[in-house]
Amino acid sequence: EPEVTQTPSHQVTQMGQEVILRCVPISNHLYFYWYRQILGQKVEFLVSFYNNEISEKSEIFDDQFSVERPDGSNFTLKIRSTKLEDSAMYFCASGLSSGGAEDTQYFGPGTRLTVL
Amino acid sequence: RKEVEQDPGPFNVPEGATVAFNCTYSNSASQSFFWYRQDCRKEPKLLMSVYSSGNEDGRFTAQLNRASQYISLLIRDSKLSDSATYLCVVTLADKLVFGAGTILRVKS
Repeated sequence: EPEVTQTPSHQVTQMGQEVILRCVPISNHLYFYWYRQILGQKVEFLVSFYNNEISEKSEIFDDQFSVERPDGSNFTLKIRSTKLEDSAMYFCASGLSSGGAEDTQYFGPGTRLTVL
Repeated sequence: RKEVEQDPGPFNVPEGATVAFNCTYSNSASQSFFWYRQDCRKEPKLLMSVYSSGNEDGRFTAQLNRASQYISLLIRDSKLSDSATYLCVVTLADKLVFGAGTILRVKS
């Protein structure tokens, strides 16, 4: 069964450093997403991406964040200058369509980001 | 008011019990509805979609009431492996909006 993969599984970084989280969505999916979950809290939407551009972003997704689909398979989330409060589990998700009966999103296993 | 509201639990039930979870959502523009399951420190996994007509998948039954903006999940004959956090999820435009989850612990 096809699945979303993410690397690394755990990233430890110093405050102020840049990190890039990587995802390989399911191959025939067209819609890509990043979510995060701070420990003990709910899953929160960050950004959606379709047709090589951002389609929606939350207020969490400020200028420190960016996303990219550098080739036909990878989807990345970059945090330019990490803060302590960026420590969380970051989930990538992908879907075949949006806003219809087939708009199920499938999640990768997550990258645990720890900012020291 | 929270966008998606769930009773956090925990629900502690014996094996074989029937347990019901409820969820309400605030935005009537939400179009699709799901129950996801999340094990500790793992990703959310789709359990089932929820339709107005109600739907059943084995021991799991989900119901949606659009008029009252209410979603439910019923688990029959609980197994130890059902222990997890159950997430009520709705779509809003392009994104999924998650509830905080209801913790289920099934004990032998």
